[in-house]
Amino acid sequence: QVQLVHSGAEVKKPGASVKVSCKASGYTFTSYALHWVRQAPGQRPEWMGWINVGTGNTKYSQTLQDRVTFTRDTSANTAYMELSSLRSEDTAVYFCARRAMTADYFDYWGQGTLVTVSS
Amino acid sequence: NFMLIQPHSVSESPGKSVTISCTRSSGSIASNFVQWYQQRPGSAPTTVIYEDDERPSGVPDRFAGSIDTSSNSASLTISGLKTEDEAEYYCQSSDASTPWVFGGGTKLTVL
Repeated sequence: QVQLVHSGAEVKKPGASVKVSCKASGYTFTSYALHWVRQAPGQRPEWMGWINVGTGNTKYSQTLQDRVTFTRDTSANTAYMELSSLRSEDTAVYFCARRAMTADYFDYWGQGTLVTVSS
Repeated sequence: NFMLIQPHSVSESPGKSVTISCTRSSGSIASNFVQWYQQRPGSAPTTVIYEDDERPSGVPDRFAGSIDTSSNSASLTISGLKTEDEAEYYCQSSDASTPWVFGGGTKLTVL
């Protein structure tokens, strides 16, 4: 069955960087795009961008494009999200989500990684 | 940019039906598909409706989506309410400049 499994929770200081992983299983990793969505406590989800896992091409949200980088390791079936220059407002659960093959929606989500930014 | 506006909360009794609205602030609701996500506390969202009115496999037909161009809004209707339907529901849509926009969420209480 399809699974997206995240790395564990992180606590970072302001100004630091964080790298979150999302390991895929149960499907052909390179055949589906992966999106990243974050959700601050009590807030709506916020789309961060996506990566074409087959080609490595990326698209980032305008609000985060200067600080976020998506990569993938196809040999490990793992996608990564790195966010730099962290601030307290970046405290959130970070999710990877697989875009469905034939329609523009997320058919599977990871369980999420909580990133806490605190001095 | 546009916003998707949802009621903060709705409540209804088990067995009844409830409708959650999602109003687009600018641009036509029909110009881009609307998705609906269910999120229980402490869990990732799951899709219950995509492309306005389509259900992913495994989602019961108690969940139905629609759009209304006269009110520029989308709706999620859940019939035969069960206590397990209690969750936060988010609508989501797009435009050319903002690929994925989420509504503020509606907390459904089944009491």
